[in-house]
Amino acid sequence: QKEVEQDPGPLSVPEGAIVSLNCTYSNSAFQYFMWYRQYSRKGPELLMYTYSSGNKEDGRFTAQVDKSSKYISLFIRDSQPSDSATYLCAMSASGTYKYIFGTGTRLKVLA
Amino acid sequence: DARVTQTPRHKVTEMGQEVTMRCQPILGHNTVFWYRQTMMQGLELLAYFRNRAPLDDSGMPKDRFSAEMPDATLATLKIQPSEPRDSAVYFCASGLGTGPHTEAFFGQGTRLTVV
Repeated sequence: QKEVEQDPGPLSVPEGAIVSLNCTYSNSAFQYFMWYRQYSRKGPELLMYTYSSGNKEDGRFTAQVDKSSKYISLFIRDSQPSDSATYLCAMSASGTYKYIFGTGTRLKVLA
Repeated sequence: DARVTQTPRHKVTEMGQEVTMRCQPILGHNTVFWYRQTMMQGLELLAYFRNRAPLDDSGMPKDRFSAEMPDATLATLKIQPSEPRDSAVYFCASGLGTGPHTEAFFGQGTRLTVV
């Protein structure tokens, strides 16, 4: 079993929908949680970063961390076709630079 | 516009040949990561450097892979000899590690095909 699990999708939604992307993990030492967006044939780019539990909001994006359930989520409100990409979760334990990535969820927002 | 620069963007080589991938981290960043991305495994950390010193290369097959930072503006990843199973996209990322955590900024990647 992988340390970080993520549904590969693809997830198809109509424009304007609320999108929910999720990852589960098994290592209770993870403290730092990140979401990256990767367009086709490009490098991943950091979207959101949270430390420990709680919520963080940035524009149309909200990241949630539930450490008791070992579950993190990324919500995208008012989704746009330009949001179509692969979304990768990543996490690391305190004191280490070793990020463990999920395999990514492919999202398609249909105009 | 600060960005991580990787060369070459694409590389096709025959099995057994040496492959060298280069990375120019963002100026001022002191942490460099090398990742490999495949459909099956996703992103896997191969090695990372802090202030040019290798901190962890446990993800790298030691017999054929090597990573170095000859200076602060250049990181290299070499594969010798290359094998078809090395076909993947190799990403370099850099960050400014000032505390217990550093955010990684990724380059565009080198798409390697070994035939």
